[in-house]
Formats: sequence, structure tokens, C-alpha cells
Amino acid sequence: EAGVAQSPRYKIIEKRQSVAFWCNPISGHATLYWYQQILGQGPKLLIQFQNNGVVDDSQLPKDRFSAERLKGVDSTLKIQPAKLEDSAVYLCASSSGQSNQPQHFGDGTRLSIL
Amino acid sequence: QKEVEQDPGPLSVPEGAIVSLNCTYSNSAFQYFMWYRQYSRKGPELLMYTYSSGNKEDGRFTAQVDKSSKYISLFIRDSQPSDSATYLCASSTGRRALTFGSGTRLQVQP
Repeated sequence: EAGVAQSPRYKIIEKRQSVAFWCNPISGHATLYWYQQILGQGPKLLIQFQNNGVVDDSQLPKDRFSAERLKGVDSTLKIQPAKLEDSAVYLCASSSGQSNQPQHFGDGTRLSIL
Repeated sequence: QKEVEQDPGPLSVPEGAIVSLNCTYSNSAFQYFMWYRQYSRKGPELLMYTYSSGNKEDGRFTAQVDKSSKYISLFIRDSQPSDSATYLCASSTGRRALTFGSGTRLQVQP
């Protein structure tokens, strides 16, 4: 079974620029999550999708972050404009959507803001 | 107060030692408890997954959950240098996102 695919693996941009990350979940997984992991901390949820609908985006900084999952499969997370404090690893995870099924993570995109 | 608290370490042990990693949580609604292992520059990898209280064993790994004291533990027997990584505990109420601890960095010395 192929895992969660993310790209790019690394990205370096200057502050106030925009950036986009892509995630392809495990085949058949209805639920997709984006997490932000700042160095030395655990991952923190940004947004959760169930198929192509948003379940929870309460911690997404909506003035600069946006995410979509238009066809209920792959997803894109965008930051515009980026701030220095956005330097982090952006992790995508997926699960089948059943309450007793765990989440599986991709290797993330490491974002550095100069 | 964070919902899931975890000692960041680092924890250094000799090869072959028994390792004990612990977390506490404050949300009584948490029903699912997980341990993830994260190597440098990689994503979290699921190690153990338990529902409610009790023990679960998988090879050298044992996970324990005590809901009465809101305490989560992971034990690693016969630790190996390849176990050197950051260990993240996580909890959830079910179909929602995980709440993670900050991770404990473990170093197993050969």
C-alpha cells in the first residue's frame, strides 16, 4: 500500500512571498489532515477534511492560509503572504474516516522563510 | 495548560536497556491513544494504537493507558540504536484530529 505522498520536500522563500504544498493521501482514505510542526514541538492541526468538505479549520490562520480538496482526493495548502513564524514542517495525514482507524503521515514539506 | 504533556528529554540510555516514555493528558473525552516514532526529517510513523484503558504489546513495545490517572506510557524492551528517534504521544476523541505531546527525544548508545 502506497503511503501519503507530499511535495515538495523542501521549500525556501522570502517573507511575504506565497507558497503551496501538495498532498496525495492513501488510496481510499476519506479523511485528510494538514498539521504544522514547529521545531521541537508536536504537530498541530491546521485543517481536517472529510472527502471534499471541511470538518475543522478552527486553528487555520485564514488571513494567510488556505486549503482545498476539490475532488475529495488530493489536497493543496497555500500560504500567502508568508511570515517568518511560518517556518515549520507541514505534514499531511490521512485515515479511512472510521473512528477506530489511525492516521498515517507523509514525510512533510520543510518550509524555511528568510 | 496543554491537553497532552510530554517530557521533551533528551533521554539517553545504553543499548539493551528498558526505556519508559510517559505522557499525561487533561481531556477526559480522549478515547484513542497513540505513540508515533519520528526519525529526523521524516514524518511520524505509527507505533502503537490503543482504545481506552489497558495494555497492548507488539514485539519489544508495550503501550499502557490508565484513564483514571490520565497517564499514557510506552515501554521499549532491549532497546537498540535504531530506536533512537523522537517519540510522540497523541490522543483523540475519535474521528477528529490528534492532539500531540511535544515529543521525547531518545538516544540509545551502542
